[in-house]
Amino acid sequence: QQQVKQSPQSLIVQKGGISIINCAYENTAFDYFPWYQQFPGKGPALLIAIRPDVSEKKEGRFTISFNKSAKQFSLHIMDSQPGDSATYFCAAGSGAQKLVFGQGTRLTINP
Amino acid sequence: DVKVTQSSRYLVKRTGEKVFLECVQDMDHENMFWYRQDPGLGLRLIYFSYDVKMKEKGDIPEGYSVSREKKERFSLILESASTNQTSMYLCAINSGSNTGELFFGEGSRLTVL
Repeated sequence: QQQVKQSPQSLIVQKGGISIINCAYENTAFDYFPWYQQFPGKGPALLIAIRPDVSEKKEGRFTISFNKSAKQFSLHIMDSQPGDSATYFCAAGSGAQKLVFGQGTRLTINP
Repeated sequence: DVKVTQSSRYLVKRTGEKVFLECVQDMDHENMFWYRQDPGLGLRLIYFSYDVKMKEKGDIPEGYSVSREKKERFSLILESASTNQTSMYLCAINSGSNTGELFFGEGSRLTVL
């Protein structure tokens, strides 16, 4: 019940394309869903987050779509750029920010 | 800028050795966390602490212990390192926001031979 399942494990997208990463969860007590971005040699950093009372949140080229009934959420990166190449983690949590993370997606944007 | 400092970026230890990983924060935050990162498994919570001398087990506490004697410092201890503890270890603090934001250190990559 505590798991968050993330797919795909790796993704290659051409520059200018759309990158899509999907996550699914079981625990309906989760009440926030952040996405983290991690560059090599660095710790993860918060990219964008959503709470379950909204179905979509957009920040620049990054959009989270949230489907509460399906218990799924996804990250869309529009107009993907080589600088977006990184590992992305979805996560879910409630209270005390004890997050449960997905397995990670290594995204490569080809120039 | 928030600073979460992990003093050792790279360590190589032998099986059976005792290992200390230290994490220091400059934000006076209560909650501190130790995660382990492995390819294909994501980040898994080992232990967290919500106050000085307070600790709680995460999802994979076996083989680890922690110490929090001062608010700014949270240490992860491997009493007797084993090869399956070769991994990247990440310390984090909470932001206090309601969006699940954690601030992470840059990680400590441990190799146990």
